[in-house]
Amino acid sequence: EAQVTQNPRYLITVTGKKLTVTCSQNMNHEYMSWYRQDPGLGLRQIYYSMNVEVTDKGDVPEGYKVSRKEKRNFPLILESPSPNQTSLYFCASSPSGSYGYTFGSGTRLTVV
Amino acid sequence: GNSVTQMEGPVTLSEEAFLTINCTYTATGYPSLFWYVQYPGEGLQLLLKATKADDKGSNKGFEATYRKETTSFHLEKGSVQVSDSAVYFCALTPDTGGFKTIFGAGTRLFVKA
Repeated sequence: EAQVTQNPRYLITVTGKKLTVTCSQNMNHEYMSWYRQDPGLGLRQIYYSMNVEVTDKGDVPEGYKVSRKEKRNFPLILESPSPNQTSLYFCASSPSGSYGYTFGSGTRLTVV
Repeated sequence: GNSVTQMEGPVTLSEEAFLTINCTYTATGYPSLFWYVQYPGEGLQLLLKATKADDKGSNKGFEATYRKETTSFHLEKGSVQVSDSAVYFCALTPDTGGFKTIFGAGTRLFVKA
């Protein structure tokens, strides 16, 4: 089944404790992206990647890092999480900008 | 810059009612336009899309037409069902070859039996 898999689905952590949210797609898509979803704000892009080793900032990149060492994987790293990063995070992939995204099921992160 | 504006919700309808969710955009050129749907506890799913002016995207009884002259992409369905209750997002991807898809804030739809 074609899908984007994120892990974990839920995570509660403490301020400052480094964490990684994994994302993997099995569709051989070149483009991958991370979004955060907050009430009233819709989805805001954090980082995106157009291919292996090619990444760029989205609209809200502060406090996040990404890497794209393999085509299928695009992990999101929070080196020192803060409470304002409490949110619902989505990973997505696409073969091209005009094709539309396939989204993962989301990761609900709470930073206390 | 590029932006998407959609009508605020929630929208509450009775089953079999006609649905319209308005979406307007700001972008240069001819962006690709999308509607996504998010059911409770799930990720977004692509509902339909249109990539050029006057194109009509359709899926599962939903339709939207790319109107360049009014910069709009309104979502419509002739007869909604309880199972259509979800949050609907309008989105665009610029035609500049980039990949920064921009989403609207979402419109929550409740359908009553």
